[in-house]
Amino acid sequence: AQRVTQPEKLLSVFKGAPVELKCNYSYSGSPELFWYVQYSRQRLQLLLRHISRESIKGFTADLNKGETSFHLKKPFAQEEDSAMYYCALSGGYNQGGKLIFGQGTELSVKP
Amino acid sequence: GAVVSQHPSWVICKSGTSVKIECRSLDFQATTMFWYRQFPKQSLMLMATSNEGSKATYEQGVEKDKFLINHASLTLSTLTVTSAHPEDSSFYICSAPKRGDSNVLTFGAGSRLTVL
Repeated sequence: AQRVTQPEKLLSVFKGAPVELKCNYSYSGSPELFWYVQYSRQRLQLLLRHISRESIKGFTADLNKGETSFHLKKPFAQEEDSAMYYCALSGGYNQGGKLIFGQGTELSVKP
Repeated sequence: GAVVSQHPSWVICKSGTSVKIECRSLDFQATTMFWYRQFPKQSLMLMATSNEGSKATYEQGVEKDKFLINHASLTLSTLTVTSAHPEDSSFYICSAPKRGDSNVLTFGAGSRLTVL
């Protein structure tokens, strides 16, 4: 079955500290993985996707097929990074955008 | 570009009444839209895939007769919560695949439904 697991409901760090938001997935084929972010009072938006292999707002995520993980990392957290982060999985282009979301992790960056 | 608009942003209704939520793609056409339900600080649960000109595809456990979906045009999908009950109170979010990249979704701002 397709499943996305984010084990941490809340992650609290101090400004300048490294951050790692964990995401593990279960999928039988070759999925595409995403991180979406929801800032306070804003709509959900794409942060990054594994096929882009780029850094957005200092965040990176590497797909590890052996560990079926797609952890989100940032070396130095900023207060404006505080938000809800959702890891999501798509079965590929034949799924036409159908995403399965993890439970979400609330990141709180304290000054 | 690629803006999805939802209306209303919040609605309060009495038990037993029906509520319609609209989802519009403002500057692009969407043959497919997705409806999600979100509980406070919890995951988004995919409810159904709305298909323009044909029946919606519902996820397991979602009542078709309870959550009526209509996708009558390339820019509008509607979700009607029929005979609403307090347990239907939730945040409903629609999304549409980005033009030219069907795996990236553009989300609406969501509609908060409170059933009294």
